[in-house]
Amino acid sequence: RKEVEQDPGPFNVPEGATVAFNCTYSNSASQSFFWYRQDCRKEPKLLMSVYSSGNEDGRFTAQLNRASQYISLLIRDSKLSDSATYLCVVNTPRGGNMLTFGGGTRLMVKP
Amino acid sequence: GAVVSQHPSWVICKSGTSVKIECRSLDFQATTMFWYRQFPKQSLMLMATSNEGSKATYEQGVEKDKFLINHASLTLSTLTVTSAHPEDSSFYICSARPGGGINEKLFFGSGTQLSVL
Repeated sequence: RKEVEQDPGPFNVPEGATVAFNCTYSNSASQSFFWYRQDCRKEPKLLMSVYSSGNEDGRFTAQLNRASQYISLLIRDSKLSDSATYLCVVNTPRGGNMLTFGGGTRLMVKP
Repeated sequence: GAVVSQHPSWVICKSGTSVKIECRSLDFQATTMFWYRQFPKQSLMLMATSNEGSKATYEQGVEKDKFLINHASLTLSTLTVTSAHPEDSSFYICSARPGGGINEKLFFGSGTQLSVL
């Protein structure tokens, strides 16, 4: 089983739609969770951290369920510019606190 | 914010040659840098953790003699792909954290696309 699993998609949605991505992680000792965005052949960029109580940043809402080892990202009112791959990232509590990346979920927002 | 510079952005080379990729933290010191590899439509896979002044820590399945890592200063780590072959063609990307905490934001270089002919 992969340490961090995501549905690869693609998710094809019209502009203005609401879309949700899910991610599961296998290591119950993981403590930090993030969503990164990656455009094709570009470096990943931090979209938002994910906190236990859930957090929102504009059109983006992240949720964490530690019991189910599950993270979600909700995007409201999708824009064309939201088209990208969204990476679920979890810290791996080994030496150096490395981050483990999920395979990413590809989102395509269409006019 | 913190900046990580990586170059070259892309390299095309003949099979059997060695390629060096540099990763620099421009406005912070990084005792630890990370090197990832990403094949098309796949996730970033951690190759190794580069530690300033000491040997790199390689992930399982990554050949340390094939992928040489040098972290001679607090702002520079290099990855050398030795005797590159077509199967080494990939997107290589480095990252670093200004601080060492698990909640510290990770900054990425812009990546290097390596194509081995």
